Amino acid sequence: ETGVTQTPRHLVMGMTNKKSLKCEQHLGHNAMYWYKQSAKKPLELMFVYSLEERVENNSVPSRFSPECPNSSHLFLHLHTLQPEDSALYLCASSQDETGHPTFGSGTRLTVV
Amino acid sequence: GQNIDQPTEMTATEGAIVQINCTYQTSGFNGLFWYQQHAGEAPTFLSYNVLDGLEEKGRFSSFLSRSKGYSYLLLKELQMKDSASYLCAVRDSWGKLQFGAGTQVVVTP
Repeated sequence: ETGVTQTPRHLVMGMTNKKSLKCEQHLGHNAMYWYKQSAKKPLELMFVYSLEERVENNSVPSRFSPECPNSSHLFLHLHTLQPEDSALYLCASSQDETGHPTFGSGTRLTVV
Repeated sequence: GQNIDQPTEMTATEGAIVQINCTYQTSGFNGLFWYQQHAGEAPTFLSYNVLDGLEEKGRFSSFLSRSKGYSYLLLKELQMKDSASYLCAVRDSWGKLQFGAGTQVVVTP
């Protein structure tokens, strides 16, 4: 266990569904991140939250909607996704934006 | 543009040494990280270099040359459990962490 917990581990959803990914960190960090990992491609940074404020949104489509209710929790709300959105979604946290991120095990998302 | 290059796959025998190279071109430089990721698991932090030279941590060492935009991760006395993907990541001058696509290391008996 890394101290960053993601649920669910696996998710299959239809293109018209709405679902949410959850991340919780027990490390006392103040920055949290969502990354997308597709096969054979580099990790893509999606969103950054620092002190519960969104500081970065890397041109991510609006069908992905993040929420950070407090410094320990991060959500990614999903709706009307496309099959190309199928990937491993990784949550991470760090102490400030300069610390090295600690990753969760990810949610394997399949859009059908 | 920003670019992090590392080989796609490397194969080595148990007990041997493997060197994974990483070259980068980024908007400035504020440190280089190596992560290990086993299939289906979280990437885990291995090492951090911000100054030129070699950092050693047990069987793993990481080297950095900022003037050449180059780093390597050296894995010694390979064990079967070292079979994993190794990710190189560079923090640019904006503080953003850019990742390479990862190098899959396969350790054979």
